[in-house]
Amino acid sequence: DTGVSQNPRHKITKRGQNVTFRCDPISEHNRLYWYRQTLGQGPEFLTYFQNEAQLEKSRLLSDRFSAERPKGSFSTLEIQRTEQGDSAMYLCASSVPGTSYEQYFGPGTRLTVT
Amino acid sequence: AQTVTQSQPEMSVQEAETVTLSCTYDTSENNYYLFWYKQPPSRQMILVIRQEAYKQQNATENRFSVNFQKAAKSFSLKISDSQLGDTAMYFCALNYGQNFVFGPGTRLSVLP
Repeated sequence: DTGVSQNPRHKITKRGQNVTFRCDPISEHNRLYWYRQTLGQGPEFLTYFQNEAQLEKSRLLSDRFSAERPKGSFSTLEIQRTEQGDSAMYLCASSVPGTSYEQYFGPGTRLTVT
Repeated sequence: AQTVTQSQPEMSVQEAETVTLSCTYDTSENNYYLFWYKQPPSRQMILVIRQEAYKQQNATENRFSVNFQKAAKSFSLKISDSQLGDTAMYFCALNYGQNFVFGPGTRLSVLP
């Protein structure tokens, strides 16, 4: 399978715990995006990488959210001290070199904070 | 601020009929792209069609076409010969620079 993959697909955690999600983009895609999608809403852009450089992070929801892409391949999104309001689907997408459009989305990680 | 509005939360259409989904947007940018994405139930989002703002000609992809009215900041999606597999959430999205803004979506049901 050469699509975007995300792990885990589902995560249930207790309030106050830290969680980390992983995204593996399509191998030749150098751009990687993270979004949050709450029920009944469209995706909300969080952050963006070109290779290992995080070029946009002002949209991260709070300082509890951080993302990395250390070798320019897979990326991780971490949420520290989770809150019930963090419950959502977290989507990853990647795009072909040289463009921001034609994003290919992964299946998402659904986070439930109890 | 850049915004995308989809005023139809839900729509339905009979199989083989034509349906149009509405989208309006607001941006001060001159160079931008517009997209329609489809998100089937419990499946991942896929790109349906895109339009470059500098192109006057409306984009077409098989049964899907857009009506891009730049001055009115309107970007509607027409689906011809609707099929059961078109049942999904449809999101209109605006891209400028490295930023993407999605609308709230329209839930389309194709009825047999």
